[in-house]
Amino acid sequence: GNSVTQMEGPVTLSEEAFLTINCTYTATGYPSLFWYVQYPGEGLQLLLKATKADDKGSNKGFEATYRKETTSFHLEKGSVQVSDSAVYFCALPSNAGGTSYGKLTFGQGTILTVHP
Amino acid sequence: DAGVTQSPTHLIKTRGQQVTLRCSPKSGHDTVSWYQQALGQGPQFIFQYYEEEERQRGNFPDRFSGHQFPNYSSELNVNALLLGDSALYLCASSLRKVAGTDTQYFGPGTRLTVL
Repeated sequence: GNSVTQMEGPVTLSEEAFLTINCTYTATGYPSLFWYVQYPGEGLQLLLKATKADDKGSNKGFEATYRKETTSFHLEKGSVQVSDSAVYFCALPSNAGGTSYGKLTFGQGTILTVHP
Repeated sequence: DAGVTQSPTHLIKTRGQQVTLRCSPKSGHDTVSWYQQALGQGPQFIFQYYEEEERQRGNFPDRFSGHQFPNYSSELNVNALLLGDSALYLCASSLRKVAGTDTQYFGPGTRLTVL
């Protein structure tokens, strides 16, 4: 089945710093790719998605580009805020050729802490 | 537009008991998936319901069962609770029958603690 690997370890940044959270995937075909965010004590919120190769998903200043050459979907933001402190998950459909309404496989999550 | 709602918010049970969690999907959605998220981990897929039938299942024992109602809402039942069942249980909804509208949207979750 498809799988995803996120960068390990928490990320700590100062406000207005540049953010990159790495995500690489292994998949059959070209499934949609997702970034979800989980704020403390809450459920998951869809942050952005890309449905095909070279697509760029964007939302709230965050961006990620679906790169089939490097099988990556890295999350970036040019200037983080304290309010961006959360856990970020990369995800894709689990099954080869699977659709996005089916079973999703998530990365282990990356904790982001932004200090003033 | 109402999002995904779940109840209860928190629940405390003891080992061996049974629990039922509830989910109402986002307005217009017809598919409900359930995930278990242990502390510090990513969500793990339990199962998915569409047209009142279980369509996909993850690696969870038969103690985990579910149901979907005609109004698309869903229940997750867990029998014979174990300490290891303590987790955040997330419900996600999506629209399966229309191509191109397949993103899953998550509810706030139910925090289950088993003592």
